[in-house]
Amino acid sequence: KAGVTQTPRYLIKTRGQQVTLSCSPISGHRSVSWYQQTPGQGLQFLFEYFSETQRNKGNFPGRFSGRQFSNSRSEMNVSTLELGDSALYLCASSVQVSYNEQFFGPGTRLTVL
Amino acid sequence: KNEVEQSPQNLTAQEGEFITINCSYSVGISALHWLQQHPGGGIVSLFMLSSGKKKHGRLIATINIQEKHSSLHITASHPRDSAVYICAVRFEGSQGNLIFGKGTKLSVKP
Repeated sequence: KAGVTQTPRYLIKTRGQQVTLSCSPISGHRSVSWYQQTPGQGLQFLFEYFSETQRNKGNFPGRFSGRQFSNSRSEMNVSTLELGDSALYLCASSVQVSYNEQFFGPGTRLTVL
Repeated sequence: KNEVEQSPQNLTAQEGEFITINCSYSVGISALHWLQQHPGGGIVSLFMLSSGKKKHGRLIATINIQEKHSSLHITASHPRDSAVYICAVRFEGSQGNLIFGKGTKLSVKP
């Protein structure tokens, strides 16, 4: 069974631009969570989607948004990029809601110049 | 405040040594995860536990709910165990999202 895939793997943007990251969960998994990892703050929860509905949201500004499609694939969008948004963005999928074991994707490394 | 503390931050060991990484948390939890992150970023979920002890190969994870403490042990460590180990908890009564420790960077020398 294929693992969690994320595209693109690397991305370079400039301040003020917007970016969309994609995550395809393991087949049969319906929950997708997104995380941001930076050297200073470590791993932080962004949001979680289940059956196309956002269940939880972390403490991030409204510039960070996401959605989930009927096939469980998920996207996250960051608008008006800031230098501090440079990070590794990870998604993880689980069978049901995130109380189950989570399987992580390889991440998308975003650099904002 | 819901916090997760890991120790040590950095750990260097010789191949074959027994390794222990500790995780303490501030309030009651519904689940605790141990994660492994190799250089390059990929994260692997090692254990998810809410009580007792779990073992997988050379890895053992324990949790003491009363003391709000968990340990990850690696027996007969090997250079391929070199990675960052991260503790993450789901606090009771929370929205359900994970709160992460800062991680323990382990380096095992041959």
